[in-house]
Amino acid sequence: RKEVEQDPGPFNVPEGATVAFNCTYSNSASQSFFWYRQDCRKEPKLLMSVYSSGNEDGRFTAQLNRASQYISLLIRDSKLSDSATYLCAVNMDTGFQKLVFGTGTRLLVSP
Amino acid sequence: DAGVIQSPRHEVTEMGQEVTLRCKPISGHNSLFWYRQTMMRGLELLIYFNNNVPIDDSGMPEDRFSAKMPNASFSTLKIQPSEPRDSAVYFCASSFFGGQGGNLPLHFGNGTRLTVT
Repeated sequence: RKEVEQDPGPFNVPEGATVAFNCTYSNSASQSFFWYRQDCRKEPKLLMSVYSSGNEDGRFTAQLNRASQYISLLIRDSKLSDSATYLCAVNMDTGFQKLVFGTGTRLLVSP
Repeated sequence: DAGVIQSPRHEVTEMGQEVTLRCKPISGHNSLFWYRQTMMRGLELLIYFNNNVPIDDSGMPEDRFSAKMPNASFSTLKIQPSEPRDSAVYFCASSFFGGQGGNLPLHFGNGTRLTVT
């Protein structure tokens, strides 16, 4: 089993739609979780951290389910500019900071 | 506010040649990471340093790969000899690891696109 797994997609949605991605992780002791966004031929950029109680940033909501070992990202009212690859990242080392990334989920938002 | 700086941006070399990738982390960050990204394998962690000390190099694919961090502001990733299957985008990232005091997320450089022919 991979340490961090994501559905590669692509997810094709119309503008205004709501879309959700899940990401599963293997290490039950993991404490830190993040969502990154990567545009074509660019570096990954932090979208948001994921907190235990769930957190929201505008149209984006992140949630953590420790029992089932997955994190999720919900995007409401999708914009064309949301088209990108979304990578989840999990800290696999409780002693240090070993951030392991999923392979990413590609989102295409169409007019 | 300078981010993580990598050089070169692009590198094209022939099989068998030595390749050296360079990285300058964000000032004040104490952790540095080298990742490799390909379509097939995604973003793979190769090695990471904390306070200039290598903590985990289990992701380094072969002995042909080596990484150093001689000081807090500079790191290199070397491939010798290079092979066509090493072609990928290599990212350097940095962060501040505060232990129980909390961690900052990773900030990535622009990457080096390596092509080995």
